[in-house]
Order: sequence, then C-alpha cells, then structure tokens
Amino acid sequence: AQKVTQAQTEISVVEKEDVTLDCVYETRDTTYYLFWYKQPPSGELVFLIRRNSFDEQNEISGRYSWNFQKSTSSFNFTITASQVVDSAVYFCALSGEEGSGNTGKLIFGQGTTLQVKP
Amino acid sequence: GAGVSQSPSNKVTEKGKDVELRCDPISGHTALYWYRQSLGQGLEFLIYFQGNSAPDKSGLPSDRFSAERTGGSVSTLTIQRTQQEDSAVYLCASKTTRSSYNSPLHFGNGTRLTVT
Repeated sequence: AQKVTQAQTEISVVEKEDVTLDCVYETRDTTYYLFWYKQPPSGELVFLIRRNSFDEQNEISGRYSWNFQKSTSSFNFTITASQVVDSAVYFCALSGEEGSGNTGKLIFGQGTTLQVKP
Repeated sequence: GAGVSQSPSNKVTEKGKDVELRCDPISGHTALYWYRQSLGQGLEFLIYFQGNSAPDKSGLPSDRFSAERTGGSVSTLTIQRTQQEDSAVYLCASKTTRSSYNSPLHFGNGTRLTVT
C-alpha cells in the first residue's frame, strides 16, 4: 500500500527564517512520482513540483528547494527566507506510474500548515 | 475555461436531502478525479474517471455517494440522504494523460458542503 506521512502538523516561523517541511513516503512500486502542492487560504491547490523515482537530483526554484532521498524515502521541501505570502497548507503526495492498473491518482499526506509571521 | 470549474462554491443542505456537485474540467483533460477534504484532514480520494468510465471507485465512502461523467467532460458527484459527516470540501481535479509520465493534477476551488 502507498502512504505519505507529514509528521509536522503546524509550523510557525518569523519572516526571513528558513523552514523545512518533511515528507516520508511508503510504496512497493519501483517507479513512482512525488509531488508538492500548496493550498493558500483561498483554498485552491497549487502544483509546485513533481519528481520521478529515478531522478534524485535536488531541485531549486527561487526560494524553494526540494531534497529527494530514496534511501530514507523522503522528499523534503525547504523555503529559504520565508515570506508572509508563503503562509499556507503544504501537501506532499505520491502516485504510482500510470498504466498497468495504476490510475495516476495522488495519495496525499495530512498536510503541514505553515504560518509565517511578519 | 482556463481552469477546473466547480459549482456551487458553497452548499448548505439539511440532513437527509440529496445534493449534486458539478465539475467542469480543463478542456481536453481525459482524466478526472474527485477528492474530499474534511476539516483539518488531508485529501481523501473518492473516484477516478477516464473519459466517461470510472475504473476506480474505491474511495466512495458509502452507496449514498455516486458520480457520473458525460461527454468526457462535465462530472457530477451526487450524495443521497446527506449526513452531517458528509460536511467537507469536495475537490475536483483533472489532468491530461497524453504525456509520457505522470502529469500533475489541476484542482478546482472546491465545493464547501455543510449539512445541518
């Protein structure tokens, strides 16, 4: 069975601090995909990043960076120099490879609520 | 439209009544998913459509829940004899399946259902 665990329920930081959101996953698939979504107070889920299981390169996009480590089944997300606008709920998600009975549906973690105070 | 559209955005209903929630996916997206997000909870998968077929209904919580999709486009999620525990935000997502690897889901803003 597939499972995603985001152990941090809520995190509160002061603006300009760096913050890391943890994500640990479980799957028996050899090919799988990991995602991060942001849900601001407006409610819409915004796609941030997708990684496949064969690409362990870390990725940086502006103030955002992602650290994928298969050895620890983790896909952590770091925000550098956080801003108030980063305040949101962040979800990590996992899917198997489409085809062969896999529908591409996402299995989500419980989410981490990030509050960035001015 | 440019994104996934859901209606209504809010729905308040009395316990025992039936409700219909609508999802209009991004044009050309063949895959459509319904999720439920209860207060303080993560996103719970309900049902998946590929075209008009629903090969995965494993997340529907009871037989009071059903969904259909017509013309490979609009989908309707129906909840019969609503209960208070059905109160949640119901999210619809669509995606293209033409890419060579898992494309991301695009979500609508959701329908907030309150059962009184």
